[in-house]
Amino acid sequence: DTEVTQTPKHLVMGMTNKKSLKCEQHMGHRAMYWYKQKAKKPPELMFVYSYEKLSINESVPSRFSPECPNSSLLNLHLHALQPEDSALYLCASSQELDTQYFGPGTRLTVL
Amino acid sequence: KNEVEQSPQNLTAQEGEFITINCSYSVGISALHWLQQHPGGGIVSLFMLSSGKKKHGRLIATINIQEKHSSLHITASHPRDSAVYICAVRGDDKIIFGKGTRLHILP
Repeated sequence: DTEVTQTPKHLVMGMTNKKSLKCEQHMGHRAMYWYKQKAKKPPELMFVYSYEKLSINESVPSRFSPECPNSSLLNLHLHALQPEDSALYLCASSQELDTQYFGPGTRLTVL
Repeated sequence: KNEVEQSPQNLTAQEGEFITINCSYSVGISALHWLQQHPGGGIVSLFMLSSGKKKHGRLIATINIQEKHSSLHITASHPRDSAVYICAVRGDDKIIFGKGTRLHILP
């Protein structure tokens, strides 16, 4: 199983809503990542979890809150987002910080 | 100046042509990745390189650590190769992405 799954595929939310994005992998990878990608731009790294511990936080606003319940799951909790947060959110995983396997992404629209 | 530069930014070619996409970087790296992103947004990791050359099907990736340069080649290009190709380098605690090369192969 070389798949990273993400749910939901699409999400539309208001600025006062609270929602969560989910990412799951069953490859035994110990590093998982959240990226944000705006249209026609390269992905921006938001968070890296390595061995279930947050190891990089690229000064992402606190309205994005990652959670790693176990080594297979990575959630991104969203609260009080702004319209400029609308983007494609990609999850990836890797073994020992090498080749990353990406999920299909969640396309988020904030109204 | 960006730490990772890709060229060309856009490339249109005829089916069957040999394609080369270049990536130059200015930072010390432990590895370089080539990624492929299709219009729907899904990203596929093509190669991870730390030295030399790798081949997978019609794709070949090379890296020259001394010159801080990598190339991705596609032989016998096909319309299904149309995508954005992204170079990403891994430094100490960060990953830096190039802006991508948008490739369009005409039938």
